Amino acid sequence: AQKITQTQPGMFVQEKEAVTLDCTYDTSDPSYGLFWYKQPSSGEMIFLIYQGSYDQQNATEGRYSLNFQKARKSANLVISASQLGDSAMYFCAMRGGMEYGNKLVFGAGTILRVKS
Amino acid sequence: GAVVSQHPSWVICKSGTSVKIECRSLDFQATTMFWYRQFPKQSLMLMATSNEGSKATYEQGVEKDKFLINHASLTLSTLTVTSAHPEDSSFYICSATPGTAPYEQYFGPGTRLTVT
Repeated sequence: AQKITQTQPGMFVQEKEAVTLDCTYDTSDPSYGLFWYKQPSSGEMIFLIYQGSYDQQNATEGRYSLNFQKARKSANLVISASQLGDSAMYFCAMRGGMEYGNKLVFGAGTILRVKS
Repeated sequence: GAVVSQHPSWVICKSGTSVKIECRSLDFQATTMFWYRQFPKQSLMLMATSNEGSKATYEQGVEKDKFLINHASLTLSTLTVTSAHPEDSSFYICSATPGTAPYEQYFGPGTRLTVT
Protein backbone atom coordinates (compact mmCIF):
# COMPACT_ATOMS: atom_id res chain seq x y z
CA ALA A 1 0.00 0.00 0.00
CA GLN A 2 1.04 3.55 -0.60
CA LYS A 3 0.81 6.24 2.02
CA ILE A 4 1.65 9.91 2.33
CA THR A 5 2.05 11.58 5.72
CA GLN A 6 2.02 15.31 6.35
CA THR A 7 2.41 15.90 10.07
CA GLN A 8 1.99 19.69 10.12
CA PRO A 9 -1.70 20.67 10.09
CA GLY A 10 -0.78 24.35 10.00
CA MET A 11 2.28 26.53 9.66
CA PHE A 12 3.02 30.23 10.02
CA VAL A 13 5.88 32.00 8.29
CA GLN A 14 6.95 35.59 8.19
CA GLU A 15 6.85 37.26 4.81
CA LYS A 16 10.18 36.98 2.92
CA GLU A 17 11.38 34.09 5.06
CA ALA A 18 11.78 30.48 3.94
CA VAL A 19 9.53 27.69 5.13
CA THR A 20 9.74 23.90 4.94
CA LEU A 21 6.63 21.74 4.67
CA ASP A 22 7.19 18.14 5.67
CA CYS A 23 6.15 15.07 3.74
CA THR A 24 7.05 11.42 4.27
CA TYR A 25 5.89 8.55 2.15
CA ASP A 26 5.71 4.80 2.16
CA THR A 27 5.72 2.51 -0.84
CA SER A 28 7.20 -0.79 -1.90
CA ASP A 29 7.25 0.22 -5.54
CA PRO A 30 10.75 1.23 -6.72
CA SER A 31 9.24 3.50 -9.38
CA TYR A 32 7.15 6.37 -8.09
CA GLY A 33 6.68 10.09 -8.39
CA LEU A 34 6.21 12.74 -5.74
CA PHE A 35 4.21 15.89 -6.26
CA TRP A 36 3.39 19.05 -4.38
CA TYR A 37 0.21 20.96 -5.07
CA LYS A 38 -1.05 24.29 -3.76
CA GLN A 39 -4.75 24.77 -3.16
CA PRO A 40 -5.85 28.36 -2.49
CA SER A 41 -9.27 29.16 -1.10
CA SER A 42 -10.69 29.10 -4.63
CA GLY A 43 -10.20 25.32 -4.60
CA GLU A 44 -8.13 24.86 -7.74
CA MET A 45 -5.21 22.48 -7.49
CA ILE A 46 -2.04 24.20 -8.65
CA PHE A 47 0.90 21.95 -9.53
CA LEU A 48 4.13 23.17 -7.95
CA ILE A 49 6.87 20.62 -8.35
CA TYR A 50 7.61 16.99 -9.23
CA GLN A 51 10.33 14.55 -8.19
CA GLY A 52 10.77 11.15 -9.76
CA SER A 53 12.12 8.30 -7.67
CA TYR A 54 15.08 7.83 -9.99
CA ASP A 55 15.94 11.51 -10.26
CA GLN A 56 19.44 12.12 -8.99
CA GLN A 57 19.01 15.78 -8.20
CA ASN A 58 16.45 17.58 -6.10
CA ALA A 59 13.76 19.27 -8.16
CA THR A 60 13.54 23.05 -8.21
CA GLU A 61 10.94 25.38 -9.72
CA GLY A 62 11.52 29.04 -9.06
CA ARG A 63 11.01 29.65 -5.32
CA TYR A 64 10.03 26.02 -4.76
CA SER A 65 12.49 23.23 -4.14
CA LEU A 66 11.95 19.66 -3.08
CA ASN A 67 14.31 18.20 -0.51
CA PHE A 68 14.25 14.56 -1.59
CA GLN A 69 15.82 12.11 0.85
CA LYS A 70 15.11 8.70 -0.59
CA ALA A 71 16.58 6.62 2.22
CA ARG A 72 14.44 8.47 4.75
CA LYS A 73 11.45 8.44 2.38
CA SER A 74 10.91 12.13 2.77
CA ALA A 75 10.07 14.78 0.19
CA ASN A 76 9.88 18.12 1.96
CA LEU A 77 8.84 21.26 0.10
CA VAL A 78 10.92 24.36 0.68
CA ILE A 79 9.43 27.73 -0.23
CA SER A 80 11.97 30.53 -0.25
CA ALA A 81 11.18 34.23 0.19
CA SER A 82 7.57 33.64 1.24
CA GLN A 83 4.93 35.95 -0.16
CA LEU A 84 1.45 36.75 1.13
CA GLY A 85 0.04 34.97 -1.91
CA ASP A 86 1.64 31.74 -0.73
CA SER A 87 -1.02 31.43 1.97
CA ALA A 88 -2.94 28.30 1.00
CA MET A 89 -3.33 24.58 1.66
CA TYR A 90 -0.41 22.50 0.42
CA PHE A 91 -0.70 18.83 -0.48
CA CYS A 92 2.03 16.28 -0.97
CA ALA A 93 1.05 13.41 -3.28
CA MET A 94 2.58 10.23 -4.62
CA ARG A 95 1.99 8.42 -7.85
CA GLY A 96 2.81 4.75 -7.95
CA GLY A 97 3.65 2.67 -10.95
CA MET A 98 1.36 1.18 -13.57
CA GLU A 99 0.18 -1.49 -11.16
CA TYR A 100 -1.42 1.28 -9.12
CA GLY A 101 -3.09 2.67 -12.21
CA ASN A 102 -1.11 5.88 -11.95
CA LYS A 103 -3.38 6.99 -9.13
CA LEU A 104 -2.35 9.86 -6.90
CA VAL A 105 -2.41 9.36 -3.15
CA PHE A 106 -2.62 12.61 -1.20
CA GLY A 107 -1.45 13.56 2.25
CA ALA A 108 -3.72 15.33 4.72
CA GLY A 109 -2.36 18.72 3.76
CA THR A 110 -0.71 21.63 5.54
CA ILE A 111 -2.30 25.06 5.81
CA LEU A 112 0.34 27.74 5.38
CA ARG A 113 -0.25 31.28 6.55
CA VAL A 114 2.22 33.99 5.58
CA LYS A 115 2.33 36.93 7.98
CA SER A 116 3.20 40.47 6.94
CA GLY B 1 -1.72 23.82 -22.67
CA ALA B 2 -3.14 20.94 -20.63
CA VAL B 3 -6.29 22.68 -19.47
CA VAL B 4 -9.14 20.85 -17.78
CA SER B 5 -12.52 22.46 -17.27
CA GLN B 6 -15.44 21.51 -15.08
CA HIS B 7 -19.04 22.51 -15.38
CA PRO B 8 -20.81 23.76 -13.40
CA SER B 9 -18.43 25.44 -10.99
CA TRP B 10 -21.09 25.32 -8.33
CA VAL B 11 -24.56 23.85 -8.08
CA ILE B 12 -27.34 23.77 -5.53
CA CYS B 13 -29.93 21.03 -5.79
CA LYS B 14 -32.76 19.69 -3.73
CA SER B 15 -32.55 16.44 -1.85
CA GLY B 16 -33.64 13.50 -3.99
CA THR B 17 -32.71 15.01 -7.31
CA SER B 18 -29.76 14.08 -9.52
CA VAL B 19 -27.01 16.37 -10.69
CA LYS B 20 -24.46 15.92 -13.45
CA ILE B 21 -20.95 17.35 -13.39
CA GLU B 22 -18.87 17.53 -16.56
CA CYS B 23 -15.11 17.31 -16.84
CA ARG B 24 -13.47 18.24 -20.14
CA SER B 25 -9.89 18.20 -21.33
CA LEU B 26 -9.72 21.23 -23.60
CA ASP B 27 -6.48 20.81 -25.48
CA PHE B 28 -5.51 17.18 -25.14
CA GLN B 29 -7.00 13.73 -25.32
CA ALA B 30 -7.46 12.19 -21.91
CA THR B 31 -7.29 8.41 -21.85
CA THR B 32 -7.85 8.40 -18.12
CA MET B 33 -9.83 10.71 -15.89
CA PHE B 34 -10.04 10.65 -12.12
CA TRP B 35 -12.80 11.91 -9.84
CA TYR B 36 -12.05 13.15 -6.34
CA ARG B 37 -14.16 14.34 -3.47
CA GLN B 38 -12.99 16.84 -0.90
CA PHE B 39 -14.67 17.90 2.33
CA PRO B 40 -13.78 21.28 3.90
CA LYS B 41 -10.23 21.45 5.22
CA GLN B 42 -9.63 17.80 4.29
CA SER B 43 -7.61 16.04 1.67
CA LEU B 44 -8.71 14.81 -1.73
CA MET B 45 -10.19 11.34 -1.72
CA LEU B 46 -10.16 9.41 -4.97
CA MET B 47 -13.63 8.19 -5.86
CA ALA B 48 -13.06 6.46 -9.17
CA THR B 49 -10.88 6.11 -12.22
CA SER B 50 -12.45 6.19 -15.64
CA ASN B 51 -10.90 5.12 -18.91
CA GLU B 52 -12.42 6.14 -22.20
CA GLY B 53 -14.85 3.56 -23.49
CA SER B 54 -14.82 1.30 -20.46
CA LYS B 55 -16.50 1.10 -17.10
CA ALA B 56 -15.16 3.18 -14.27
CA THR B 57 -13.19 1.57 -11.46
CA TYR B 58 -14.49 2.70 -8.10
CA GLU B 59 -12.51 2.96 -4.90
CA GLN B 60 -13.55 0.90 -1.94
CA GLY B 61 -16.53 2.38 -0.14
CA VAL B 62 -17.77 4.46 -3.07
CA GLU B 63 -21.27 3.54 -4.20
CA LYS B 64 -21.17 3.00 -7.94
CA ASP B 65 -24.96 3.22 -8.24
CA LYS B 66 -24.98 6.58 -6.53
CA PHE B 67 -22.03 8.13 -8.33
CA LEU B 68 -22.42 7.27 -11.99
CA ILE B 69 -19.35 7.95 -14.09
CA ASN B 70 -19.31 7.99 -17.86
CA HIS B 71 -16.22 8.55 -20.00
CA ALA B 72 -17.84 8.63 -23.40
CA SER B 73 -15.07 10.37 -25.33
CA LEU B 74 -11.39 11.21 -25.02
CA THR B 75 -12.23 14.72 -23.87
CA LEU B 76 -15.27 14.29 -21.67
CA SER B 77 -16.13 12.47 -18.47
CA THR B 78 -19.27 13.01 -16.43
CA LEU B 79 -20.12 12.33 -12.80
CA THR B 80 -23.79 12.04 -11.94
CA VAL B 81 -24.79 12.15 -8.30
CA THR B 82 -28.09 10.31 -8.18
CA SER B 83 -30.76 10.90 -5.55
CA ALA B 84 -28.55 13.44 -3.85
CA HIS B 85 -28.74 13.96 -0.10
CA PRO B 86 -27.24 16.69 2.11
CA GLU B 87 -24.34 14.41 3.04
CA ASP B 88 -23.33 14.40 -0.65
CA SER B 89 -22.59 18.11 -0.38
CA SER B 90 -18.90 18.42 -1.14
CA PHE B 91 -16.26 19.75 -3.52
CA TYR B 92 -15.81 17.43 -6.50
CA ILE B 93 -12.60 17.68 -8.52
CA CYS B 94 -11.66 15.84 -11.68
CA SER B 95 -8.26 15.32 -13.20
CA ALA B 96 -7.20 14.07 -16.60
CA THR B 97 -4.18 12.19 -17.88
CA PRO B 98 -3.02 12.69 -21.45
CA GLY B 99 -2.58 9.59 -23.52
CA THR B 100 0.84 10.88 -24.52
CA ALA B 101 1.94 11.43 -20.92
CA PRO B 102 0.44 8.74 -18.69
CA TYR B 103 2.30 9.88 -15.58
CA GLU B 104 0.89 13.40 -15.62
CA GLN B 105 -2.41 14.61 -14.15
CA TYR B 106 -4.07 17.94 -14.78
CA PHE B 107 -6.80 19.08 -12.44
CA GLY B 108 -10.06 20.83 -13.15
CA PRO B 109 -11.13 23.82 -11.06
CA GLY B 110 -13.65 21.78 -9.08
CA THR B 111 -17.41 21.82 -8.61
CA ARG B 112 -19.01 22.77 -5.32
CA LEU B 113 -22.21 20.80 -4.76
CA THR B 114 -24.70 21.82 -2.10
CA VAL B 115 -27.73 19.62 -1.50
CA THR B 116 -30.55 21.26 0.43
